[in-house]
Amino acid sequence: GNSVTQMEGPVTLSEEAFLTINCTYTATGYPSLFWYVQYPGEGLQLLLKATKADDKGSNKGFEATYRKETTSFHLEKGSVQVSDSAVYFCALRGASGNTGKLIFGQGTTLQVKP
Amino acid sequence: SQTIHQWPATLVQPVGSPLSLECTVEGTSNPNLYWYRQAAGRGLQLLFYSVGIGQISSEVPQNLSASRPQDRQFILSSKKLLLSDSGFYLCAWSYGQGSIQYFGAGTRLSVL
Repeated sequence: GNSVTQMEGPVTLSEEAFLTINCTYTATGYPSLFWYVQYPGEGLQLLLKATKADDKGSNKGFEATYRKETTSFHLEKGSVQVSDSAVYFCALRGASGNTGKLIFGQGTTLQVKP
Repeated sequence: SQTIHQWPATLVQPVGSPLSLECTVEGTSNPNLYWYRQAAGRGLQLLFYSVGIGQISSEVPQNLSASRPQDRQFILSSKKLLLSDSGFYLCAWSYGQGSIQYFGAGTRLSVL
């Protein structure tokens, strides 16, 4: 079945450091891929998405490229801020079945220190 | 604009007690509705989804049930809670099965 694997956290960085959170997936066909972010005390918010191979999703300085050949969707940001501290979830929606359900990774906690 | 509300935000319940978590959506009609759970140290898992009033699909067998008595209301219930029901429960909605899902703030449930 479909699955998502994220790098384990927590990830602790200093402000302005470069961020990479790895995400790989297993799925049949061409799923859609997402990154959601959960700030402390809040629900999940969509950060970015990509719906086909080689698409790059971007938002708020974050980027992720849908790599079919490596089945990856790694999240990157060139210079993190303290306000980026949150839990980041990688997710996929399968290409078939059409229930709309999302399959999530376990989440990666990012802590940015000033 | 559309908003989604979940309550309560936190809940502590004894083993064997009943559960009712409520989720409502405003500003849209006939949304798809979802219940997810995040157990400690694990990713989010879909529990139930609904494409219309009275239509509930269960993804995993468990001690929980869901109901949709109104178009924009989704309720998660249990008759007798187990310790393993502890976790973070999230409600979400979407316009359709291929659309982006929007999440509520979640309910943190501790069963003691």
